[in-house]
Amino acid sequence: GAVVSQHPSRVICKSGTSVKIECRSLDFQATTMFWYRQFPKQSLMLMATSNEGSKATYEQGVEKDKFLINHASLTLSTLTVTSAHPEDSSFYICSAPSDFSYNEQFFGPGTRLTVL
Amino acid sequence: RKEVEQDPGPFNVPEGATVAFNCTYSNSASQSFFWYRQDCRKEPKLLMSVYSSGNEDGRFTAQLNRASQYISLLIRDSKLSDSATYLCAAPSSSASKIIFGSGTRLSIRP
Repeated sequence: GAVVSQHPSRVICKSGTSVKIECRSLDFQATTMFWYRQFPKQSLMLMATSNEGSKATYEQGVEKDKFLINHASLTLSTLTVTSAHPEDSSFYICSAPSDFSYNEQFFGPGTRLTVL
Repeated sequence: RKEVEQDPGPFNVPEGATVAFNCTYSNSASQSFFWYRQDCRKEPKLLMSVYSSGNEDGRFTAQLNRASQYISLLIRDSKLSDSATYLCAAPSSSASKIIFGSGTRLSIRP
């Protein structure tokens, strides 16, 4: 299957700092990528849909000024958590649709964010 | 009603047993459904896709019941390594995205 990478895999930061997470499709182009957040023992919650060359589409309740998404190329989308606070600590995962089926997604390995 | 709902479990079964769990969906127009496996602190990995009545891959069988709007996942001859959380997913009725269920936790005991 297609490969999606994420970097960093883990980050610990102080409250108030900004953290950038990168999501890359390694062997295919992705005009769309999805960003999810998952709290312990809870399901994946879609935060936003990242669209190459245009603005991201945010889900209801997700602050677009806090979670900045940039999809500048066909293989890279970035999520920046601005002014992070302890409640932002979570597992952030990106995904990209396969060429075969838009609804069949390949996930990156995730980024575990801990805000102190 | 949630777009995709699952029994959270946990299902605790002995090794070698057969276990099945269901997932209901609300979007009657959905044409594709997915089962993902997620290990603790890892990303979900696609287990099976279901585009028609069902799909089978080794010990795993996924079935679709359109009349009752649910998909099921059956695991035969369960192994210790099958212990994980199983997420089902279906297209949303409102936009180009898929919705995940809350996951069913499965624990296989020796």
